[in-house]
Parts: sequence; structure tokens; C-alpha cells
Amino acid sequence: DQQVKQNSPSLSVQEGRISILNCDYTNSMFDYFLWYKKYPAEGPTFLISISSIKDKNEDGRFTVFLNKSAKHLSLHIVPSQPGDSAVYFCAASANGANSKLTFGKGITLSVRP
Amino acid sequence: GAVVSQHPSRVICKSGTSVKIECRSLDFQATTMFWYRQFPKQSLMLMATSNEGSKATYEQGVEKDKFLINHASLTLSTLTVTSAHPEDSSFYICSAIYNEQFFGPGTRLTVL
Repeated sequence: DQQVKQNSPSLSVQEGRISILNCDYTNSMFDYFLWYKKYPAEGPTFLISISSIKDKNEDGRFTVFLNKSAKHLSLHIVPSQPGDSAVYFCAASANGANSKLTFGKGITLSVRP
Repeated sequence: GAVVSQHPSRVICKSGTSVKIECRSLDFQATTMFWYRQFPKQSLMLMATSNEGSKATYEQGVEKDKFLINHASLTLSTLTVTSAHPEDSSFYICSAIYNEQFFGPGTRLTVL
């Protein structure tokens, strides 16, 4: 039973445009959400996180939005750059930042020059 | 951000042998580390939580006698895959917490 779902396996956007990566979850106990970027044969790199007490967190080109009622979060990257091309994983925790994570299956983002 | 290293990055072994993977937090101390496994085109799946000075906590379905975890110091956790078989071939990744959860670069295990 997938508790964290990334239903779109891939996304392709033009350089300079916005990339919107979506993630849904089913476990209402999740209270902390993270996005990681991953290249093949490498470990995930932390991008941005959000606590359930917030609905938005912004860090440079990356913004994460959380809609608790819909159990949905999204990562916005603007403007998108070719170097952003990678697999993006959504992850969730039921006990804040210092707890085990449940990951989605990931979405492959391709940014076209 | 914090740096987590893993060694080796890649290992090939024969079926029936044991393989040890090290996870180190390089510039911080971590009382808790996590071990994940990723099969091709799949998500990262948590295997166990490694606690310094105490026994690891294993997720359901993970054999603790097969995947031995030792967290002997605040900067080192080891995962030993005992009597490895081809189905254990996977990408093993550790993580440690320093405000956020930071991941190591992973270890590709291939069992022939």
C-alpha cells in the first residue's frame, strides 16, 4: 500500500518555464514532508521541506506547497534549468524531521534547453 | 549541508559470502542513522533504524539475522549482508539526521 504517491512517472518542461511536481499521501499521521533530488547511482540530495503547520515554504527557485485537507503537496521550480533534470522524490514522516521517511516512487524531470 | 559517506560505493561478491557496508557522518554526530534499499525503478524502502549503543529497529519483512546492523559510534553505522544471494542485489543507501535527513551516496551490491 503506497502511502506516498507520485502518480506521474515523468515530466518534461522547457528551460525557463515552471516545473510543477505533484505528490499525494494517504497517511494522516504524516506531519513533515521533504523533496529530494536524485541522480542514478547516487544518494538523494535534500532540496526543501515543509512542516504540516505551514502551507508554503520557499527557498530560492524551489517552493513547496502543502494542502493538508487534500493530502497533497507540490514542488514548484521556477525558472527551470537543464541542471534540474533528475529524479525527484517526495518523502513524508510521521514524527517530524528526525524520523524515518516514507518515499514516493519518484518522478523524472527533464528540462529541455 | 551535512556530509554522509558510504564505503564501498560498489561491490560484487559471490553468492553465500558476507558483505559489510559502512556509513559515516563526516562532520557531525548522529545518534540515529537509517538504512534504505532501492531496487531498479522503485522507491527507496526503509530497512532499519540504526541507534547508537542499542539494537537496530527493523521494518516489517526485513530479516534482522540477514541484515546485521552495528552502530558502534556516533559517526559510524555498518550494515552486513550475510550469506548474500542474487536477490539481495540492490542499491543500499544510508542516511543520518542533522536538522534534516541527509543521505550517503549509496552502495551498489551485485551478488553473482
